[in-house]
Amino acid sequence: EPEVTQTPSHQVTQMGQEVILRCVPISNHLYFYWYRQILGQKVEFLVSFYNNEISEKSEIFDDQFSVERPDGSNFTLKIRSTKLEDSAMYFCASSGTGSRDTFGSGTRLTVV
Amino acid sequence: DQQVKQNSPSLSVQEGRISILNCDYTNSMFDYFLWYKKYPAEGPTFLISISSIKDKNEDGRFTVFLNKSAKHLSLHIVPSQPGDSAVYFCAASGDGGTSYGKLTFGQGTILTVHP
Repeated sequence: EPEVTQTPSHQVTQMGQEVILRCVPISNHLYFYWYRQILGQKVEFLVSFYNNEISEKSEIFDDQFSVERPDGSNFTLKIRSTKLEDSAMYFCASSGTGSRDTFGSGTRLTVV
Repeated sequence: DQQVKQNSPSLSVQEGRISILNCDYTNSMFDYFLWYKKYPAEGPTFLISISSIKDKNEDGRFTVFLNKSAKHLSLHIVPSQPGDSAVYFCAASGDGGTSYGKLTFGQGTILTVHP
């Protein structure tokens, strides 16, 4: 069964550093998403991406966040200057015609 | 943001019995509802969904019921199996059941099925 692949599975970074979280969505999907889950809290929507542009973003997705689809397969989330409160599980998801969001296994980001 | 609420953080059920997981929502613009299951160290996995034009959808051991007037949905698992032990998330969208659009999640309910 097709999968959404995320790398790395765990990333530790110093506060103030930039991080890039990587995702390979399902190949025939057209819609891409990032969600995050802070420990003990809900899974929260960050951003959706379609046709090479952001289609919707949440209040969480401020100027320190950006997304990119640099080639035909990868979908990245960049956090420019990480803060302690950015520590969370970050889930990438993709969806296609007739199929709802398929999630990756997540990247656990720890900001120290 | 409490648009989707799962008021029971955990549920414990005996194998073979019914598991009932509940979810309430407040946003009347939601018209499509989903249940996801999540194991530790994995992402949420889609389980079953229901459109607001229906009040029931069944898939094998899983049935989702929607009560629009009460803004309430529930997931029934019959019979429950130990492998069903996981965190169950209710999610909602206002995209008319299309395959795209953001999901709003509840807090999750930890289901434990005892042998």
